[in-house]
Amino acid sequence: AQSVTQPDIHITVSEGASLELRCNYSYGATPYLFWYVQSPGQGLQLLLKYFSGDTLVQGIKGFEAEFKRSQSSFNLRKPSVHWSDAAEYFCAVGATDSSYKLIFGSGTRLLVRP
Amino acid sequence: GAGVSQSPSNKVTEKGKDVELRCDPISGHTALYWYRQSLGQGLEFLIYFQGNSAPDKSGLPSDRFSAERTGGSVSTLTIQRTQQEDSAVYLCASSLQRGLQETQYFGPGTRLLVL
Repeated sequence: AQSVTQPDIHITVSEGASLELRCNYSYGATPYLFWYVQSPGQGLQLLLKYFSGDTLVQGIKGFEAEFKRSQSSFNLRKPSVHWSDAAEYFCAVGATDSSYKLIFGSGTRLLVRP
Repeated sequence: GAGVSQSPSNKVTEKGKDVELRCDPISGHTALYWYRQSLGQGLEFLIYFQGNSAPDKSGLPSDRFSAERTGGSVSTLTIQRTQQEDSAVYLCASSLQRGLQETQYFGPGTRLLVL
């Protein structure tokens, strides 16, 4: 079965430092890949998505992600973290047997030190 | 414009009771999805609606779970004879149309606690 792995349960970074959140997916010839953010008391908000083309994808709030087929990875990055980025981040992949179903990782909680 | 709304935001119930969770999707969105987020877990797909019909109920964990959608809009997820393992956050999402290229917009969720 398809799966998404986010190996880091928690990550703590200092404000202004760079950030990379890891995501690996199990298989999919041409995967549809997503990153969502969930702030406390809020629903999930789409940060960015990859379907095809340029493997470096720009999203909202200064985030970007790079698709690496050889590593089955879709890591999320931000060059300089702000305190307001503290939240939980979910990576997701479109299910290969579905035109709408998303398979989510278990999430990475980001803490930002002042 | 208004986003996806869900009610109640929190629900505490006793084991064995029935609960109803409501989702109001974004107006005009034909596709609606329910997910479940258990503690420390990612989101688990439960059911998908296209209009009022539910072509995919594959994620419902047991026959105690059911959902309906009326008027192509509001959806209700019902859990009968709740069990403690049903405790989770239930998230609803909607998209303009079916398709992975369509952004799914999520509501804030209903946090269910079964005592």
